[in-house]
Amino acid sequence: QKEVEQDPGPLSVPEGAIVSLNCTYSNSAFQYFMWYRQYSRKGPELLMYTYSSGNKEDGRFTAQVDKSSKYISLFIRDSQPSDSATYLCAISGGGADGLTFGKGTHLIIQP
Amino acid sequence: EPEVTQTPSHQVTQMGQEVILRCVPISNHLYFYWYRQILGQKVEFLVSFYNNEISEKSEIFDDQFSVERPDGSNFTLKIRSTKLEDSAMYFCASTSLGGGLTDTQYFGPGTRLTVL
Repeated sequence: QKEVEQDPGPLSVPEGAIVSLNCTYSNSAFQYFMWYRQYSRKGPELLMYTYSSGNKEDGRFTAQVDKSSKYISLFIRDSQPSDSATYLCAISGGGADGLTFGKGTHLIIQP
Repeated sequence: EPEVTQTPSHQVTQMGQEVILRCVPISNHLYFYWYRQILGQKVEFLVSFYNNEISEKSEIFDDQFSVERPDGSNFTLKIRSTKLEDSAMYFCASTSLGGGLTDTQYFGPGTRLTVL
């Protein structure tokens, strides 16, 4: 059973575009949702963390969770070449549970 | 800003040899984790550790693996007899779990393990 599905891409968009990255998950027990950014051969870097359904905004980034559809999204506004990286969604049942990751979407922002 | 550190950054070993990967979690954190990422694959949870014992482990974390917190700062992952398929990036993570229902995990830069 694939618990977290994420399109690996690559997704290539021009600079300044709005980027939409998505994941679906299968287990409704997951309650906590995170987005990490990972540059090549580096560790995942936390971008956003959400708990409830709805939107959470932080600068150019917006995380969206729809628990009824088991669907999570990350939107990047005014995308920059420095945003080029792999974006990983991660979910957790809470507490000290290990995270379950999606495979990551490789994003390329063209100057 | 506090960060998780890992050493070495790259470890090359022969099949069947033992390796120890080291991590220094963020100083006030209480929960520690190891993950691995085989090249081109997703990041996979291996084990979590709290209060000097394993909290949770995945199917990957078999008898060849062990974890230890030998002192107040280090957290180690030992692989007793490495196999070719153990070649991967190994990430350490930590979280404070400071009274909330959950907390975010902060990752180190990883150790790239190559088994020949």
